[in-house]
Amino acid sequence: QQKVQQSPESLIVPEGAMTSLNCTFSDSASQYFAWYRQHSGKAPKALMSIFSNGEKEEGRFTIHLNKASLHFSLHIRDSQPSDSALYLCAVIPGYQNFYFGKGTSLTVIP
Amino acid sequence: EAGVTQSPRYAVLQEGQAVSFWCDPISGHDTLYWYQQPRDQGPQLLVYFRDEAVIDNSQLPSDRFSAVRPKGTNSTLKIQSAKQGDTATYLCASSFDRDQDTQYFGPGTRLLVL
Repeated sequence: QQKVQQSPESLIVPEGAMTSLNCTFSDSASQYFAWYRQHSGKAPKALMSIFSNGEKEEGRFTIHLNKASLHFSLHIRDSQPSDSALYLCAVIPGYQNFYFGKGTSLTVIP
Repeated sequence: EAGVTQSPRYAVLQEGQAVSFWCDPISGHDTLYWYQQPRDQGPQLLVYFRDEAVIDNSQLPSDRFSAVRPKGTNSTLKIQSAKQGDTATYLCASSFDRDQDTQYFGPGTRLLVL
C-alpha cells in the first residue's frame, strides 16, 4: 500500500519568510500529487496539484515534483498569518483513491 | 454551486452507543469518500464509492462500521457500537471522474465517545 510521509510535523515561521514543506511517497507509478490546506476546525481544501516532474507556480505557492526521488514539496513565498493551517499532501495513484500524509502544522507569527 | 454537506456537525456518545453520519455530495459527483481524521492528523480513508458501488472498504472496521450509498447520491456511515478510539472528525468528500486530482470536502462531523 502507498506510504506517504510529511516533514516536518510542525513549523513556526515569521511573517514574510519562505516556508518549505516536504512529502515523500513509496509508489513511483502514482500519477497525481496534490497539496491541501486545512484551517483549524474547517474542511481540507485543495491548494494545488501536479502530475509531471518539475515545478508549478500559482501566486505565492510553488509545488515541486521529482518522481525519481519519490518526493514533492510545497513552497510558500512571503508567508502570511492567514497561511497558518495544517498542510496535507496527497498522492493519487490515478484511479481516484487518495493517500494523505499526516500533515504539517504551520504557524506564521506576525 | 452547493458544496458537500454533512450532518450532524457534532455528536457525543457513551461507549456502546450507535451513531449515523449523513453526507450529500456535490451534484453530479460520481465518487464519494468517507475519511476518519483523528485530532492533529491527516484524513485516513475508510471507504469510497463510485456511484452506488463500494470500490474500497479495506480500511473500514467491518465489525462495527458500515457505509451505504444506495442510489449513488447521498451516503450514510454508521458506527454500531462506538468505542473511545473512534473519537475523531468524520469527513465526507466527493469528486468527479474527469477531475481525478481534486476532492471536495464537507465540514465534517466531530464525534466524541466518552
